Formats: sequence, C-alpha cells, structure tokens
Amino acid sequence: GQNIDQPTEMTATEGAIVQINCTYQTSGFNGLFWYQQHAGEAPTFLSYNVLDGLEEKGRFSSFLSRSKGYSYLLLKELQMKDSASYLCAVRDYDRGYNKLIFGAGTRLAVHP
Amino acid sequence: EAGVAQSPRYKIIEKRQSVAFWCNPISGHATLYWYQQILGQGPKLLIQFQNNGVVDDSQLPKDRFSAERLKGVDSTLKIQPAKLEDSAVYLCASEPETTDTQYFGPGTRLTVL
Repeated sequence: GQNIDQPTEMTATEGAIVQINCTYQTSGFNGLFWYQQHAGEAPTFLSYNVLDGLEEKGRFSSFLSRSKGYSYLLLKELQMKDSASYLCAVRDYDRGYNKLIFGAGTRLAVHP
Repeated sequence: EAGVAQSPRYKIIEKRQSVAFWCNPISGHATLYWYQQILGQGPKLLIQFQNNGVVDDSQLPKDRFSAERLKGVDSTLKIQPAKLEDSAVYLCASEPETTDTQYFGPGTRLTVL
C-alpha cells in the first residue's frame, strides 16, 4: 500500500533551524515534493527530490534517501512568516501515469 | 503569468443540495487535478485530466461527484447531492508538460450544513 508519515506539529524559535521528517512507502516511487501551505491558502511548491542527496534552495534544503524511504525538509534562519503547514508528497507511478500522494502535513509554529 | 483561478472561494449549502466549482488552469497546462482537503489532512486526489481525457478518477465518489474538462481547458467539479462529510476545501491544480510541478489554485471552501 501507500503510506506517508510526518509529525503533526512542531514548534521552533525565530532564527533557529528546524528539520521536518517524512517517511514513505510506495510501490512506484518517482520523486518527492515538499509544499508549504499557509492557513487558508493553497499549497506552494518548495522543493523536489528524485535522486538521493541534498537539494539546497536559499534557506530551505530537502534531503532524500530512497533506500530508507526517508526525506527531510530543513529550514534555516527561521522567520515568523515560516509558520505554516509543510506537506510531504510522493509521486507514485502506477498503471502508466504519475499521481501525487500527500501526507497529512506538519504544522510549524515559529515563535519569537 | 496568471495562476490557477477557482470560483467561488466560499460556498455554504445544506445537505442534499447541489454545488459546482469552477477551475481555470494556467494557460498551456495540459494536466489538471481536483483535490479534496479535509481540515487537518493533506490533499486527496479526486480526479486527474490530461487535456480533456480522464487519467485517474479512482478516488472520485462517482455516485455523487462528477467532473468534466471541456475543450481541455476549464474544468468543473459537481457534487449532487452533498453530504455533511463533503465539507472541505476543493483545490484545483495544473501541471505543464515540461516540469513535474503542480501549481495550485486558492481553493473553494465548502461547508455543508
């Protein structure tokens, strides 16, 4: 079956670093996405990993280990505006096409 | 570049009523998705279109939900009749053929009373 797990909530301090973990089980893994979703808004794309390793983009980095079914999103120099839900999504290739399967999201609260 | 447009943004109806949502994807995007996002959960795929053909509707409750994408551009999602458990945000997303990234619209928040 397909399963994506990520922590429900996390808190962190402004200026700090936070790591949000995601573990997954799919039969046709074909890439992993991280999306940011502020309350009441649409998800916005943050990062995409299809090969093992670290992808860095400004304050945000994402890591993937396909053999372990594991990814993390690293947020550095946290700002208040980073308070949001972070969605881990796995692209699963099945019956000739790709589809995204989302985790429940991790709600991050950044406090002063 | 204009983003994915959806309307209405909010809708409140009573159970057993009908409702329709509209989505206009980013120009040129061949693939269009409808997702249902219940409060506190991640988006769940309802239906995926490639141009005006259905690629995947395995999670669409077809006894009450229907969707179409005429001419491979705009799409409508309809619920008839609505149930209390249909209360959710309905997100539309589109994807170009050149990348693997989906772009989401602002969503329609549906409340069924």
